[in-house]
Formats: sequence, C-alpha cells, structure tokens
Amino acid sequence: GAGVSQSPRYKVAKRGQDVALRCDPISGHVSLFWYQQALGQGPEFLTYFQNEAQLDKSGLPSDRFFAERPEGSVSTLKIQRTQQEDSAVYLCASSTDRGPGTGELFFGEGSRLTVL
Amino acid sequence: QKEVEQDPGPLSVPEGAIVSLNCTYSNSAFQYFMWYRQYSRKGPELLMYTYSSGNKEDGRFTAQVDKSSKYISLFIRDSQPSDSATYLCAMRKGGSQGNLIFGKGTKLSVKP
Repeated sequence: GAGVSQSPRYKVAKRGQDVALRCDPISGHVSLFWYQQALGQGPEFLTYFQNEAQLDKSGLPSDRFFAERPEGSVSTLKIQRTQQEDSAVYLCASSTDRGPGTGELFFGEGSRLTVL
Repeated sequence: QKEVEQDPGPLSVPEGAIVSLNCTYSNSAFQYFMWYRQYSRKGPELLMYTYSSGNKEDGRFTAQVDKSSKYISLFIRDSQPSDSATYLCAMRKGGSQGNLIFGKGTKLSVKP
C-alpha cells in the first residue's frame, strides 16, 4: 500500500488480556517508530527500530510492553496483562533514513485500544 | 514541567481569520522543529519542517522558530473550515534520527 497500515484499528480488551498490534510500514522505509497517544495528549515515544534492530526502547512504560520487527519490515507491539491505563491510540510511523534529523515520519491511522 | 508546552485550546475562529499557534520548550538541544496536523481519528501528518531559527513559508502556512526565546509558532492565513484539526508541534535534538517530542496539540475549529 501507499501508506503505513495498522491493524486492528480498534481493539477492546478485558483487563489482564494480552494484545498484539501490527504495523506495516511504507515499503523500503528503514526506520520504524511506535508512539502512544492518550486522549487529549500528544503522541509519546515508545520505541524505535532501524531495520530489525531495536535501537531505542526507552519509552516503553513497563516490561509488559514488547515490540519486535524480526525481518526489518512488519512490526508488532505486544502488551501483556493489559491494564486500564494502557487505553490509548498506538501510532506507528516509518521514515527513510536519509541522515541525522532529516527523515520525515509518516504515521499510520493508529490502533485504538480500550481496556475495560 | 514538560519539555514542550502547548496550549490545548480549543481555539475557534471564523473562516478567513489569521490563526496563530505556538509552543514553548525548555531543552536548548532541540534543533529540528515541526508542525503536524491531525484530523479526528487519523494519524498526524507533517505540515512544516524547520531547522534551527528562522521563518519558513508554504502557501497559507508560515512557521517561525525563535531559539533565543525557545518559542515556535505556526501562522495560518485565510483559514478554511478544512483547516479544522488538532495541530501538534514537535521537535528533535540534533545529531541523530532520534525520537520526536510532541506538544499536547491545539484543537482548532474554523467556522464557515
């Protein structure tokens, strides 16, 4: 596809359930980012991949959050034992790696997670 | 205090008005400054990108960066109802393609 594709668009989980959110970046984009956007807030950085390497995971809020990009393309964000405070929109973005600070981020439409 | 501060609004203006949006920041290491537009239930899309201080114009949009005051602005001239969205400022330190730090976003409504 032409843009970043995320699935599912909407997910309702009961507290304690595990969820997996998928991101399919723009073809050829080396860098991939995950952001969390709570209601009424700006996106907050979770983690960053360059190809299959996870170079920064400093934004992951707890060890219940795990992200992978095994073949350097599709990425999955997994949240174990979901809690109500995990309710948010999870945004994926990809970019070309053209040098320091030059890569424009292209965002997907997000996966909206509601934990009951 | 958050690294990037942005008034969440909401801001309501009549069609044709000039809109001024702004952010302040505390980290002098920020060198790349962006404005993103986010429509309801959509992902952010890049509007303007500025490196260091100065002005940049693109059609009806002008971005300004004043590093000495740690203050950035986005001006929208001849605002249209289609400009109704949330506007997010974002910034990044130099030296690496690291993560963006976003403001909270300002919700703008342009009334016909």
